[in-house]
Amino acid sequence: AQSVTQLDSQVPVFEEAPVELRCNYSSSVSVYLFWYVQYPNQGLQLLLKYLSGSTLVKGINGFEAEFNKSQTSFHLRKPSVHISDTAEYFCAVKGPVTGKSTFGDGTTLTVKP
Amino acid sequence: DSGVTQTPKHLITATGQRVTLRCSPRSGDLSVYWYQQSLDQGLQFLIQYYNGEERAKGNILERFSAQQFPDLHSELNLSSLELGDSALYFCASSGDRVNSPLHFGNGTRLTVT
Repeated sequence: AQSVTQLDSQVPVFEEAPVELRCNYSSSVSVYLFWYVQYPNQGLQLLLKYLSGSTLVKGINGFEAEFNKSQTSFHLRKPSVHISDTAEYFCAVKGPVTGKSTFGDGTTLTVKP
Repeated sequence: DSGVTQTPKHLITATGQRVTLRCSPRSGDLSVYWYQQSLDQGLQFLIQYYNGEERAKGNILERFSAQQFPDLHSELNLSSLELGDSALYFCASSGDRVNSPLHFGNGTRLTVT
């Protein structure tokens, strides 16, 4: 079985400040890792993904994430946030055999001026 | 634009009624997933279809059913509706590779009164 824990349900931050959204996962096998973003009244969009190779992956809108196998973490970071980054962010894992996706409960990022 | 189309965008109906939600996947995607998103339960996986066949089942109630047609569009049928069924219902599609990300539609907001 696989599970995902997003450690912060809400993260308030000021504009131009750095941000980190934390994600830990649990799985007995290797998994594929994803971050999705959901803007108000929209569906989820893929931000970035880790499939294999370099542990630092870059995504859209200046976001990046680092896969840490020993700590089973996949934290999302951005060095300087904008008001437009206000949204809900979901971490997800996908199993290698079934391809089943498991989502975390989401982190609401609120960027304040 | 994810390429996944969901209709209708909004549905308001009364308890005890039945509704049908429709989804057209991204061109070329054979897999279709249905998710329910509510404030108290987050993003819940309901069911997956692959090329017309049911592939995986999640937390789908017996009052709910789905199918995928030969042209790959999918429908989610919700019957004997209860107030607690009010939620956002998302459809997603993905490519054939097990590590393919999900592409979400913009959802159908169901309100049961």
